[in-house]
Amino acid sequence: GAVVSQHPSWVICKSGTSVKIECRSLDFQATTMFWYRQFPKQSLMLMATSNEGSKATYEQGVEKDKFLINHASLTLSTLTVTSAHPEDSSFYICSARDPAGASTDTQYFGPGTRLTVL
Amino acid sequence: QKEVEQNSGPLSVPEGAIASLNCTYSDRGSQSFFWYRQYSGKSPELIMFIYSNGDKEDGRFTAQLNKASQYVSLLIRDSQPSDSATYLCAASGSARQLTFGSGTQLTVLP
Repeated sequence: GAVVSQHPSWVICKSGTSVKIECRSLDFQATTMFWYRQFPKQSLMLMATSNEGSKATYEQGVEKDKFLINHASLTLSTLTVTSAHPEDSSFYICSARDPAGASTDTQYFGPGTRLTVL
Repeated sequence: QKEVEQNSGPLSVPEGAIASLNCTYSDRGSQSFFWYRQYSGKSPELIMFIYSNGDKEDGRFTAQLNKASQYVSLLIRDSQPSDSATYLCAASGSARQLTFGSGTQLTVLP
């Protein structure tokens, strides 16, 4: 149980284009999902908290107009990196909380999306 | 600022030995604590969580929590080369978000 998928697993795009990443909870309904970014040799950095049916909450320093988050259903959240630039190249990972799990604070991670902007 | 601190390592142990990973946290309001394992190039996977003082065992893994000392640890018994990874400690705060440590890199030598 508690499986989270992400698509695509990797993407290469040109500078200035937009990229959409999907995060799905496969066997549970996730009212809350999270988006992280991880640069090489560094720890996870929380970008935003995505709540189903409401606006995402962004962490300080994360541009909400650049990283658009939509959580339109209980099983799907999307992150769109708009006008991507090389400095946006990173490993983007989503996670979801299972409200019916043994620990409701436990986050289950998707496999991640490696974004490379040329 | 709420922080979770881990020794970045690298920590090397021989195969079959006990690996001990430590973590401290600054937010006394933290309720739940988590250990994740992250292989290079992969996303974190949950090992176990703990929220009561004392020990919690799951197979070869034992998590220990001491809220008075604000200290969490993970013991890995009979370490295997496949346990070589980065181990992330995380604490859940009042906002129910997880604050992650920077991770400890573990290498189990065959």
